[in-house]
Amino acid sequence: GENVEQHPSTLSVQEGDSAVIKCTYSDSASNYFPWYKQELGKRPQLIIDIRSNVGEKKDQRIAVTLNKTAKHFSLHITETQPEDSAVYFCAASRVLGADGLTFGKGTHLIIQP
Amino acid sequence: DGGITQSPKYLFRKEGQNVTLSCEQNLNHDAMYWYRQDPGQGLRLIYYSQIVNDFQKGDIAEGYSVSREKKESFPLTVTSAQKNPTAFYLCASSTLAGAGNEQFFGPGTRLTVL
Repeated sequence: GENVEQHPSTLSVQEGDSAVIKCTYSDSASNYFPWYKQELGKRPQLIIDIRSNVGEKKDQRIAVTLNKTAKHFSLHITETQPEDSAVYFCAASRVLGADGLTFGKGTHLIIQP
Repeated sequence: DGGITQSPKYLFRKEGQNVTLSCEQNLNHDAMYWYRQDPGQGLRLIYYSQIVNDFQKGDIAEGYSVSREKKESFPLTVTSAQKNPTAFYLCASSTLAGAGNEQFFGPGTRLTVL
């Protein structure tokens, strides 16, 4: 089955700086890679996703890059703000397979004022 | 945040008892999922269903059971066979067709075994 590794487990950055979270996956058949943000006690919410037919996707301050050859993908947040503080999860699955997501263990992002 | 609901929000169970967690969605989604979340861990897939009256085991199905009698509903039963059931349980749903299978999550049920 799929295995997703996520690093770092905790990331502290100064407000206004950039944050980068990295994930690797094992199943070459995976081709859908979402990122979820979860605030304490709340449900995970999708912030951005990428499919294997593209290498990069950007949405305002958030971007995701994918390297299928190396089986890794990354989340980039620029100009971080206090409201970016949360736990971020990467995940992988097969598009249209609807066989569930395999998640990384999460990164606790702390934005220092 | 409507569309997918879970009840109850908090649930307490004595050891040896079965409990059922409710999950309902009005998004007309075909697929539904159950995940378990433990502190410091990612979400782990328990069961999923792509169509009514059919479901598949996920990575950690032992000690759990599900049913899918209606498209809108996917209840999860935590049985006494589950050795460590205390956790945060999240239900999700998605379409099967289209550009991808974005999963929408419910608010979760926090189960505590006393």
